[in-house]
Amino acid sequence: AQSVSQHNHHVILSEAASLELGCNYSYGGTVNLFWYVQYPGQHLQLLLKYFSGDPLVKGIKGFEAEFIKSKFSFNLRKPSVQWSDTAEYFCAVTHNYGQNFVFGPGTRLSVLP
Amino acid sequence: ETGVTQTPRHLVMGMTNKKSLKCEQHLGHNAMYWYKQSAKKPLELMFVYSLEERVENNSVPSRFSPECPNSSHLFLHLHTLQPEDSALYLCASSQGTGAGVGTFGSGTRLTVV
Repeated sequence: AQSVSQHNHHVILSEAASLELGCNYSYGGTVNLFWYVQYPGQHLQLLLKYFSGDPLVKGIKGFEAEFIKSKFSFNLRKPSVQWSDTAEYFCAVTHNYGQNFVFGPGTRLSVLP
Repeated sequence: ETGVTQTPRHLVMGMTNKKSLKCEQHLGHNAMYWYKQSAKKPLELMFVYSLEERVENNSVPSRFSPECPNSSHLFLHLHTLQPEDSALYLCASSQGTGAGVGTFGSGTRLTVV
């Protein structure tokens, strides 16, 4: 069965630090990849997505992610975090035209002012 | 508001009660989803409806019964729940099922006592 793992349960950074959140998936076929963010008390929002083409995907709020097929990874990055980036981040994978949409367990990011 | 509205926001119910969660979207999407978000567990896909027909049911117990009367509305009928069913239930919608889930509602926080 397809699965998604996120390496870190909780990441704590100071403002202006660089961020990289790991995401690995287990499915060997063609996949679509997503990062979602959930700010405290708010709904889940799509940060960015990868379907095909350039493996470096740029999303909203200065986030980007790189798809490395050989490593089954889709890590999320931001060069300089802000306090407002404090949130929970979910990696998600789907294949088979969205009929097996799987989320990772989430990584909680705390950014200290 | 995201365009996906869930009611109620909070619900406390006894194990013998029958209640329903409601989701409504005004985005013109043709696919809707129910997810369960429990503490310390990955987000779980429960049901997918595409063009008002159920296309995915991830082995969800029968005490959860979905209903999709039209492409804008989705219900989750609950009966004889267990305390471990306490969680945040998220509704989401998208245009087609191949592009991932685009928009989430704010969720219903369910507590089973």
